[in-house]
Amino acid sequence: NAGVTQTPKFRILKIGQSMTLQCTQDMNHNYMYWYRQDPGMGLKLIYYSVGAGITDKGEVPNGYNVSRSTTEDFPLRLELAAPSQTSVYFCASSPKGTAYYGYTFGSGTRLTVV
Amino acid sequence: KQEVTQIPAALSVPEGENLVLNCSFTDSAIYNLQWFRQDPGKGLTSLLLIQSSQREQTSGRLNASLDKSSGRSTLYIAASQPGDSATYLCAVKGLGGATNKLIFGTGTLLAVQP
Repeated sequence: NAGVTQTPKFRILKIGQSMTLQCTQDMNHNYMYWYRQDPGMGLKLIYYSVGAGITDKGEVPNGYNVSRSTTEDFPLRLELAAPSQTSVYFCASSPKGTAYYGYTFGSGTRLTVV
Repeated sequence: KQEVTQIPAALSVPEGENLVLNCSFTDSAIYNLQWFRQDPGKGLTSLLLIQSSQREQTSGRLNASLDKSSGRSTLYIAASQPGDSATYLCAVKGLGGATNKLIFGTGTLLAVQP
């Protein structure tokens, strides 16, 4: 059982380039999330999804887009990379949104924009 | 707006010592609180999940307590080991609005000296 898988693990982008961070889970979880973690700042929610075809903004959505065409996949798209998007990105999933389920996180993607 | 604070930001203890990490939150209307461990360059590993109706949860040498009315949680680590060295994050899941969002603290960096 792989859990939540993120690719790539590391990436360097030039300002203005685009890329997609991939996230796949094999636990049949309905809910999926994208967080970014900046040094000393904790994790901030970028986007989340409560099921295939449904997405919504989190705390810091500007500069990002997401899609959820299947239960398993929740890619995060950066269209015009900016230095402020240098961060570590984590994807997570949970079975439902109710109180009794915790979150499972991927191992992260470390992105540097230069 | 829910805010989660963790004190201290960093802690260094000798091996074998018992220790307590603190987490406080401003809004007591929560579904649950979760403690995570993060190793350098790695993702988050869930340690303990406490429902809002519970007072504590235990797993091995770890014990987490929750006092919802005062907005506090503690993570107690017994007989600390060098392998416990990591960043410990707490996160709360709120009741209102987009109820599936976790709000994270900024973490406590723990170093256990051999």
